[in-house]
Amino acid sequence: EVQLLESGGGLVHPGGSLRLSCAASGFTFSDYAMSWVRQAPGKGLEWVSALSGSGTSTYYADSVRGRFTISRDNSKNTLYLQMNSLRAEDTAIYYCAKIPWGGDYFDYWGQGTLVTVSS
Amino acid sequence: DIQMTQSPSSLSASVGDRVTMTCRASQGISNHLAWFQQKPGKAPKSLIYAASTLQSGVPSKFSGSGSGTDFTLTINSLQPEDFATYYCQQYNTYPLTFGGGTKVEIK
Repeated sequence: EVQLLESGGGLVHPGGSLRLSCAASGFTFSDYAMSWVRQAPGKGLEWVSALSGSGTSTYYADSVRGRFTISRDNSKNTLYLQMNSLRAEDTAIYYCAKIPWGGDYFDYWGQGTLVTVSS
Repeated sequence: DIQMTQSPSSLSASVGDRVTMTCRASQGISNHLAWFQQKPGKAPKSLIYAASTLQSGVPSKFSGSGSGTDFTLTINSLQPEDFATYYCQQYNTYPLTFGGGTKVEIK
């Protein structure tokens, strides 16, 4: 059974940093691209970033490029999102999602971790 | 960036109804479209990919169609557990983009 468990969310001041983690199990982690998707309170879904299985190819939304860094440790079956220079508009639930072979959509999602950026 | 527009933004329906919602892309995306269901306080769930292929375990009352720029999601015989918000997502081109969602409410 595929499981994705996010952690690392919390309250941070504007301009601060936070690192999210996503622990994966139930599949061969290194074989699959992974992604982060966020959802601001009461709003829709927004794709944030994606990373190939090898970790060599990265993709970012314009809204986070230069501030967020996606990475993975295939030896630990863990995906990360380093978030720097955080802004109030980054406040959201952050979901980790698995990308299947054959298309960059999301077949499995974690339960999400809440990031609140506020002074 | 490819803009995804869903309509209606909300709809009211009764148990047993058939409902249809649409998703339009600002440019052609072939069949590179996915649909997700999200219930309040829960993570999204994958329903359909490649515009019309059901994700494993998804009941056949859900169906998707379309290609190019216009897509539809149909739910037959609506049940209480189907009341949720539905999102489309294009994966033809980065950045990946979602529609704004269609909320299906109980009439």
